Amino acid sequence: EIVLTQSPGTLSLSPGERATLSCRASQSDRSSYLAWYQQKPGQAPRLLVYGASSRATGIPDRFSGSGSGTDFTLTISRLEPEDFAVYYCQQYGSSRMFGQGTKVEVK
Amino acid sequence: EVQLSESGGGLVQPGGSLRLSCAASGFIFSSYAMGWVRQAPGKGLEWVSAITGGGGDTYHADSVKGRLIISRDNSKNRLYLDMSSLRAEDTAVYYCVKGSDTSRPYYFDFWGQGALVTVSS
Repeated sequence: EIVLTQSPGTLSLSPGERATLSCRASQSDRSSYLAWYQQKPGQAPRLLVYGASSRATGIPDRFSGSGSGTDFTLTISRLEPEDFAVYYCQQYGSSRMFGQGTKVEVK
Repeated sequence: EVQLSESGGGLVQPGGSLRLSCAASGFIFSSYAMGWVRQAPGKGLEWVSAITGGGGDTYHADSVKGRLIISRDNSKNRLYLDMSSLRAEDTAVYYCVKGSDTSRPYYFDFWGQGALVTVSS
């Protein structure tokens, strides 16, 4: 079973700053079947990125995904107030596992 | 507009049973895989179960195998999760999720608002 490790656990940033979130897989399934989800308190998660780098419908272009193999990154170019949330990655190729999440909080 | 609405959550004693239901609308239900993802209080997301669009193939996490069973009724646009031999560690919000395709690989492109299941005496 592929294990996803997200880092850092918590990211403390100010609005307008750039956020870089990492998701590392324990092994490669030689695909880019990696998704990112955002979850705000009291809400269901929502899809941000799929296929490692494709933005879901309606997602602002300040969100971008990259990576392949075992190392993936979600970048938020300039944090807006509504972007402070928890972010999860998920490998959906050979497994369906989620990472443990990265919380982006206001510094 | 895609809508997923869970029902059937509640308080159940350890060892008890419960059935979650998810009513789906806004898309051709039988054309997409569906699943359940849960989140224990204050914890992260855990994939639980998935089922192909036609319902012929089901998948369950090792932690729930034999106790939680996913099924679907494409004539009613409904997804189900039959839960038995429930344990305290099954306490969580259970999200109904829509897959992006009828079979693997698929990501979860729409999520319901969740149903809380509490296992406690």
